[in-house]
Amino acid sequence: EVQLVESGGGLVQPGGSLRLSCATSGFIFSSYAMSWVRQAPGKGLEWVSAISASGGSTYYADSVKGRFTISRDNSKNMLYLQMNSLRAEDTAAYYCAKEDRGENHFDYWGQGTLVTVSS
Amino acid sequence: SYELTQPPSVSVSPGQTASITCSGDKLGDKYASWYQQKPGQSPVLVIHQDIKRPSGIPERFSGSNSGNTATLTISGTQAMDEADYYCQAWDSNTFWVFGGGTKLTVL
Repeated sequence: EVQLVESGGGLVQPGGSLRLSCATSGFIFSSYAMSWVRQAPGKGLEWVSAISASGGSTYYADSVKGRFTISRDNSKNMLYLQMNSLRAEDTAAYYCAKEDRGENHFDYWGQGTLVTVSS
Repeated sequence: SYELTQPPSVSVSPGQTASITCSGDKLGDKYASWYQQKPGQSPVLVIHQDIKRPSGIPERFSGSNSGNTATLTISGTQAMDEADYYCQAWDSNTFWVFGGGTKLTVL
């Protein structure tokens, strides 16, 4: 059974940093690209960042480029999102999502972790 | 940047057919996917590659995509189908793009 479990969310002040983690199991992690998708309270889904299966390629939404860094550790089946220079508009539930191989959609999602940026 | 547009809300009576549209420039040239999200839950993939249903998704869910519009159709809509629905496509410049979401009300 595929499982994605996010952690690391919490309350942080504007300008602060936070590192999200996603622990995965039930599939060959090193074979699949992964993404982070966020959802502000009461709003829709917004893709944030993606990383290739090997970790050699990374992609970012314009809204987070230069502030967020996605990474993965294939030996630990872990996905990460380092978030720096956080803004109030980054407040959201952050989901990690597994990409269906080569098909550019997400077949499994985690339960999400809430990030609140506020003073 | 590439954008997908959905109606904010759609209403349907139980047992009737619900159609939710998603519009984007030449969307028919891309693959469209659809996700269902119920309150307090994570999104669930219900349609991918325009017309394919993942295992476990009821046959009443179907999809189509042509021209500038993709459509999610729910036949014989049930109360349990009440949820937010999001379309999604991939663009070479914007990468993964979601529509704004449609709240389906079954009344």
